Amino acid sequence: DGGITQSPKYLFRKEGQNVTLSCEQNLNHDAMYWYRQDPGQGLRLIYYSQIVNDFQKGDIAEGYSVSREKKESFPLTVTSAQKNPTAFYLCASSPRFSGDIQYFGAGTRLSVL
Amino acid sequence: EDKVVQSPLSLVVHEGDTVTLNCSYEVTNFRSLLWYKQEKKAPTFLFMLTSSGIEKKSGRLSSILDKKELFSILNITATQTGDSAIYLCAVNLWDNAGNMLTFGGGTRLMVKP
Repeated sequence: DGGITQSPKYLFRKEGQNVTLSCEQNLNHDAMYWYRQDPGQGLRLIYYSQIVNDFQKGDIAEGYSVSREKKESFPLTVTSAQKNPTAFYLCASSPRFSGDIQYFGAGTRLSVL
Repeated sequence: EDKVVQSPLSLVVHEGDTVTLNCSYEVTNFRSLLWYKQEKKAPTFLFMLTSSGIEKKSGRLSSILDKKELFSILNITATQTGDSAIYLCAVNLWDNAGNMLTFGGGTRLMVKP
C-alpha cells in the first residue's frame, strides 16, 4: 500500500537533547513538507522540499533542521534550540511542488520530559 | 499577511443534524481552497475548490466556494458519530514558492448519538 509513514508515534525529549522524527513515503512524490500543530491552532509550515538535496524554511523554522538525501525520506530534527517543542508534527507530500493536494502521514506527538 | 479563519471553533450536534462549517480568507493570489478531515491523526483530503458557485459533493458532504465574498462552506447532512473530527480549511496561493498551503485553525465537530 502506498502512503506516508511517520515514526515514532510518540517521542519524549529531554532538556538539551536533539531528536529526529522520521518521514518516509512510497508515493513517488517529489515534494515533502513538515508541519507543526498546536492545540486549537491550524497547521504551521516548518520546512518543505521540492526535490532531493533541496529544502526551504517555512514560517516557523527556528530550532528545526531537515535533510532530503533521498526522494522518499524527509527527516526532521528538533534541536535543543527549539524551546517549546511539545506539539503534534505532521509530514506531508504532494506529487509535484506545483500540485495542490498534499497527503499526510499519521503524525508524531512530541513531549518534553 | 495571508489569513484563513474558520468558524465556529467547535460545534456539538446530535446524529441526524445538518451542520455548516465556514472558512473565510484574506489572501493575495488565490489559487484554490482545500478541505481536510482530521479524526485522530492524519488529515485526509475531502475537496479542492477553484471556481465560484460550483458545488463539490461526496455522499453527505458538500462544499462550495464564493470568490467574490472570499469564503467557503462545508455542509454535512444527516450527521453520524463517525463525522466527529476536526475539519481543516487551507488556501493555496499562486506565487513563486509554488504549492504553499495556509491553514485555518480548524473546526472541531462532535456528533453525539
